[in-house]
Amino acid sequence: AQKITQTQPGMFVQEKEAVTLDCTYDTSDQSYGLFWYKQPSSGEMIFLIYQGSYDEQNATEGRYSLNFQKARKSANLVISASQLGDSAMYFCAMLQAGTALIFGKGTTLSVSS
Amino acid sequence: DAGVTQSPTHLIKTRGQQVTLRCSPKSGHDTVSWYQQALGQGPQFIFQYYEEEERQRGNFPDRFSGHQFPNYSSELNVNALLLGDSALYLCASSSIGTGPTGNTIYFGEGSWLTVV
Repeated sequence: AQKITQTQPGMFVQEKEAVTLDCTYDTSDQSYGLFWYKQPSSGEMIFLIYQGSYDEQNATEGRYSLNFQKARKSANLVISASQLGDSAMYFCAMLQAGTALIFGKGTTLSVSS
Repeated sequence: DAGVTQSPTHLIKTRGQQVTLRCSPKSGHDTVSWYQQALGQGPQFIFQYYEEEERQRGNFPDRFSGHQFPNYSSELNVNALLLGDSALYLCASSSIGTGPTGNTIYFGEGSWLTVV
């Protein structure tokens, strides 16, 4: 069965520092997609970045980059130059059978000044 | 370009009652998925609708049902509400034709349901 594991319940970082949020996944599929979402306290799930299993380059979107290590089945999110507004819950997810997203339990990121 | 819209944003229901939640997908998207997110947990897939039919279903009882309309909007219905149904219900829209890329799965702001 497909599974997403996020082992960091909470992470703390100071403004302008970089932070890495860990994500490992388990799947027997050859083709899959990995996503990161940000969820503020308001509840909205905000798309951050996507990595396809066949993508040779690591995905980047502004301050967000995905460190994709296929052999280790890891897809860590790197946020550069953290901002106070980055404080939120972050979820790693994998697309299952092209339809359902399977989510990890999330990591709470707290950014301090 | 309107994103995914959901209504209502908050609601309180009594055990045993029924509730209907609504979702309009992002412009250009034809597929709607529903997720339940309990407090402190990641979202759990309920079901997905495409071409007005349920395409895939997660591990949820038949009390959870849905519908998709010709304009691609969707409803989630929950009957015989239990206290454990209290959660944030998220709608996600995507487009079957463009495949599983990150730019095609967007979420709404969710509907907070409290069952008392």
